[in-house]
Amino acid sequence: DQQVKQNSPSLSVQEGRISILNCDYTNSMFDYFLWYKKYPAEGPTFLISISSIKDKNEDGRFTVFLNKSAKHLSLHIVPSQPGDSAVYFCAASEDSGDDKIIFGKGTRLHILP
Amino acid sequence: NAGVTQTPKFRILKIGQSMTLQCTQDMNHNYMYWYRQDPGMGLKLIYYSVGAGITDKGEVPNGYNVSRSTTEDFPLRLELAAPSQTSVYFCASSYSWNREETQYFGPGTRLLVL
Repeated sequence: DQQVKQNSPSLSVQEGRISILNCDYTNSMFDYFLWYKKYPAEGPTFLISISSIKDKNEDGRFTVFLNKSAKHLSLHIVPSQPGDSAVYFCAASEDSGDDKIIFGKGTRLHILP
Repeated sequence: NAGVTQTPKFRILKIGQSMTLQCTQDMNHNYMYWYRQDPGMGLKLIYYSVGAGITDKGEVPNGYNVSRSTTEDFPLRLELAAPSQTSVYFCASSYSWNREETQYFGPGTRLLVL
């Protein structure tokens, strides 16, 4: 049973436009959410996170929005650049002390020239 | 700093063979983790360690063993390789389990069991 769902396996966006990557979760106990970015043949790298006490967190071109009532979060990249082409993983954790992060399957983002 | 390094990068094993995946970090991190990523799937936690001498099971520990004799090293052992263990294995580390503490990942080991 997937607790973190990224329903779009891939997404293509024109360079300069906005990329929106979506993530849904089922566990209402999740209270901390992260996005990781992964290039081929490399490990994932941390991108941005958000605590459930917030509904938005911004870092440069990257903004994460959290809608707790819908159990939905999204990552916005504006403007999209060629170097943003990668796989993006949504992840979540709960404050239960078991130290686990649950990852989604990932969305492959293609930035088109 | 090299960060998190993993060896080998790629390995082919026959069913029933054993091997150790090596992971080393030079950031003096207390926490270390092993994940596997199957094709089209997210990362699943195999084992983790909160410090030298302390390890604990993650979501998918069956078929694996770990040890943590030093802060820097966290090897993952496969005793009897099975085709279901074909995957990409990522080692990660973090300074603490403050959830706002970033996990740093190694480049991965791609394992094929035939």
